[in-house]
Amino acid sequence: DAGVIQSPRHEVTEMGQEVTLRCKPISGHNSLFWYRQTMMRGLELLIYFNNNVPIDDSGMPEDRFSAKMPNASFSTLKIQPSEPRDSAVYFCASSLARGIYEQYFGPGTRLTVT
Amino acid sequence: EDQVTQSPEALRLQEGESSSLNCSYTVSGLRGLFWYRQDPGKGPEFLFTLYSAGEEKEKERLKATLTKKESFLHITAPKPEDSATYLCAVHGGGSNYKLTFGKGTLLTVNP
Repeated sequence: DAGVIQSPRHEVTEMGQEVTLRCKPISGHNSLFWYRQTMMRGLELLIYFNNNVPIDDSGMPEDRFSAKMPNASFSTLKIQPSEPRDSAVYFCASSLARGIYEQYFGPGTRLTVT
Repeated sequence: EDQVTQSPEALRLQEGESSSLNCSYTVSGLRGLFWYRQDPGKGPEFLFTLYSAGEEKEKERLKATLTKKESFLHITAPKPEDSATYLCAVHGGGSNYKLTFGKGTLLTVNP
């Protein structure tokens, strides 16, 4: 299996622009997670999907952030408009099911907003 | 609220010098404790899951142990390729899915 796939790997954009991050989970996994990692705050859960349905988006920082999962093999995280404080590494992870199953992470997207 | 504290923040070892990393946690009803390895520029890589106090798991030079308050990641005779950040996460009984991560320990093994 190819593992979790994320694109792009690096994104540099100007403040105010729209940014879309993409994720393909591991085939057969029905739970998908978006995380943000910074030096100050570590790994933070942004949103969790189960069977393509958003279950918990309480970690989404504000309305500028939105996420979708139109099918079992694709998810997007969108930031509109982007701000410099959104600069971070964004990870997508998937797991077999909710509960105590381990999560497998993608390589991440390093976002820089200037 | 679940909390995870990892220590030390950074550890520098000589090749072959064994040591341990600590993960202290506060959680309401531990359902699982996870160890991950993260290399620079990469996503966290799953290592172990521990479910109950007294449980131990091993993988090559790594052994993870669990008590009711903390977990240790023991590294025996480390090699330079073991250099990475090691992350600990807990899954508490208050959620069906949420992992709470510690900030990690940056391990450097010098040849």
